[in-house]
Amino acid sequence: QQQVKQSPQSLIVQKGGISIINCAYENTAFDYFPWYQQFPGKGPALLIAIRPDVSEKKEGRFTISFNKSAKQFSLHIMDSQPGDSATYFCAPRPGSNDYKLSFGAGTTVTVRA
Amino acid sequence: GAVVSQHPSWVICKSGTSVKIECRSLDFQATTMFWYRQFPKQSLMLMATSNEGSKATYEQGVEKDKFLINHASLTLSTLTVTSAHPEDSSFYICSATPGLDYNEQFFGPGTRLTVL
Repeated sequence: QQQVKQSPQSLIVQKGGISIINCAYENTAFDYFPWYQQFPGKGPALLIAIRPDVSEKKEGRFTISFNKSAKQFSLHIMDSQPGDSATYFCAPRPGSNDYKLSFGAGTTVTVRA
Repeated sequence: GAVVSQHPSWVICKSGTSVKIECRSLDFQATTMFWYRQFPKQSLMLMATSNEGSKATYEQGVEKDKFLINHASLTLSTLTVTSAHPEDSSFYICSATPGLDYNEQFFGPGTRLTVL
């Protein structure tokens, strides 16, 4: 898990603002780059994921930007809502038959109304 | 679809007793299941990987004799915390994947274990 560095540790954003979370990795074998959302007392749930053959993927208000040469990927939450207040984890994994996720330390996002 | 359940959702036990946590994939067959533990305000730490019908693979530092994992069928894996102690109190989360070319792991809702 130390292969993945996630930042910031926490952030506070106003409703309607943009939240940006970054993830840097070392393992060049990673082939799948997901972001998970976790609410207190619940298990994480897949939010959005990207493969390395594209540089950006957007699903609704959530966008992943991927920079293969820099070994970084980020999550952008547009028009942040109070319901987005949660902890977000990047958790890349190798492809093929290796399903182990390498979780980042997590980012707690608080959206103020 | 792709629902994973855990039972119980929370459990309190006395020090020295054993606790079993079940993880079930409700609408798919899980070739591989994972067990994680999560301490407050920390990330998920992988404890072990289990494949149906074979012994679990434990991560470094995880005591296999203390955390017994059984993946008896394609829809059920169990984690037994033996001789539990207060330091074993944590949030235990399982995940499951159908395997093959499927990328996603589906996570259970977690089990809160408190050892008195």
